Amino acid sequence: DTGVSQDPRHKITKRGQNVTFRCDPISEHNRLYWYRQTLGQGPEFLTYFQNEAQLEKSRLLSDRFSAERPKGSFSTLEIQRTEQGDSAMYLCASSLDPTLPLAGYTDTQYFGPGTRLTVL
Amino acid sequence: QKEVEQDPGPLSVPEGAIVSLNCTYSNSAFQYFMWYRQYSRKGPELLMYTYSSGNKEDGRFTAQVDKSSKYISLFIRDSQPSDSATYLCAMNRGSTLGRLYFGRGTQLTVWP
Repeated sequence: DTGVSQDPRHKITKRGQNVTFRCDPISEHNRLYWYRQTLGQGPEFLTYFQNEAQLEKSRLLSDRFSAERPKGSFSTLEIQRTEQGDSAMYLCASSLDPTLPLAGYTDTQYFGPGTRLTVL
Repeated sequence: QKEVEQDPGPLSVPEGAIVSLNCTYSNSAFQYFMWYRQYSRKGPELLMYTYSSGNKEDGRFTAQVDKSSKYISLFIRDSQPSDSATYLCAMNRGSTLGRLYFGRGTQLTVWP
C-alpha cells in the first residue's frame, strides 16, 4: 500500500529561480490538496483539485504560484521567481470523494512527507 | 484573529501521564474535527476525526467536541515517549467540503 509521495523531499534554490514540485496521490483518490507549512505553524491551505478540475484556490496562492493536475492523477506545484518568504514545507494530501454519499463518510485527507523548500 | 487557535506549548510530561490538548475555533460552520500527529520533518498523520459534538475513543486516545463552546480536546492516556510529536487540530465545514483549517500545533514531549 503506497501512500502519498512527493518529490523532491528537499529543494534549495536561489531567490528569483523557478521551482516545481510533484505529488503522487494514493491511487484511486480523486481529490488532491496542496498546503504550505512554515516553522511553528499549522498547514495552510493553498489549493485543491477534484480529478483534473481546480476547485478552490487560497488568497495565499499569488500569481507566482500555479498548480496543475492534467490527467487527474499526479499534480505539480510551480513557484516562479521565488522569494525568501516562500521558504516552507509544501505538503500534498489526497482523499476520496465518493460519487454517491456514504453514511458517516468524511473527506479524510492523507498527507505526504512534504517538500522542504529553502530560498537563499 | 485566526479561525482556529491552539496553544503551541511546548508541553512536557512524564511517561504514563494523561495529556490534554485542546483547540478553540470561531467559525460555527465547522462540523468535522480532526487530530493529526506530526513527527519532526514528516507529514501530518491522521489520529482521529469526530463529527459534531460528542466523544470518540480509540485505544489510548479520546477526542471530545463541544460545539456550544467551540472547543475541542484530545486526551492521551498512559502517554509513551513514542507519543512525543506535534499535535495539530484541524476542522472543516462539511464532510465533502475540501479544505482543512489547522491550528498551529502543540509540541508534546513525553520523557521516560
